Amino acid sequence: DADVTQTPRNRITKTGKRIMLECSQTKGHDRMYWYRQDPGLGLRLIYYSFDVKDINKGEISDGYSVSRQAQAKFSLSLESAIPNQTALYFCATSDLSLAGDEQFFGPGTRLTVL
Amino acid sequence: QKEVEQNSGPLSVPEGAIASLNCTYSDRGSQSFFWYRQYSGKSPELIMFIYSNGDKEDGRFTAQLNKASQYVSLLIRDSQPSDSATYLCADDPGGYQKVTFGIGTKLQVIP
Repeated sequence: DADVTQTPRNRITKTGKRIMLECSQTKGHDRMYWYRQDPGLGLRLIYYSFDVKDINKGEISDGYSVSRQAQAKFSLSLESAIPNQTALYFCATSDLSLAGDEQFFGPGTRLTVL
Repeated sequence: QKEVEQNSGPLSVPEGAIASLNCTYSDRGSQSFFWYRQYSGKSPELIMFIYSNGDKEDGRFTAQLNKASQYVSLLIRDSQPSDSATYLCADDPGGYQKVTFGIGTKLQVIP
């Protein structure tokens, strides 16, 4: 079974719609992240949470919001989707180890906004 | 703002050759460095981490770190077509600071 799961895996929506992407993990990690990936731009951090009561903006948080419902769940919302939010979205978790802040990624959600 | 720089490629090498992937970083305080491999349409997966100056070897992979020059590299020996992927470099400042990823270098291993 996957340690980090994302739902949905694919979503096509229209401009102006509200969208929620969900992430769940069974790794027991405190830290969770949301990234988007666009061709030529790499992984860009949207929001991150170091524990249930901690939420921080990343480099591209405008147009997005998040909710950390529990240690295991971190949701990303697009309140009013726009076409330039079309991208591949990854959730990740981490916990400090000998390797540092190694991140474990979910399978990704491909979002298309028409 | 912290930066991690990588050449986006593609880097093309023949099968059996050594692939050399390079990364520079701006934050002198960074403590650990990661190399992730990402196949097209898939999620990144960790293949190497390094935190001490010098070389670290794991099978066909060798990570090299030079903190004075702020330079990290990944060598892949005996490259195989299955190594064709994008390789992401990331730096970890430690503590409560977040990891920063480079844009990744696309590697193509030609049979």
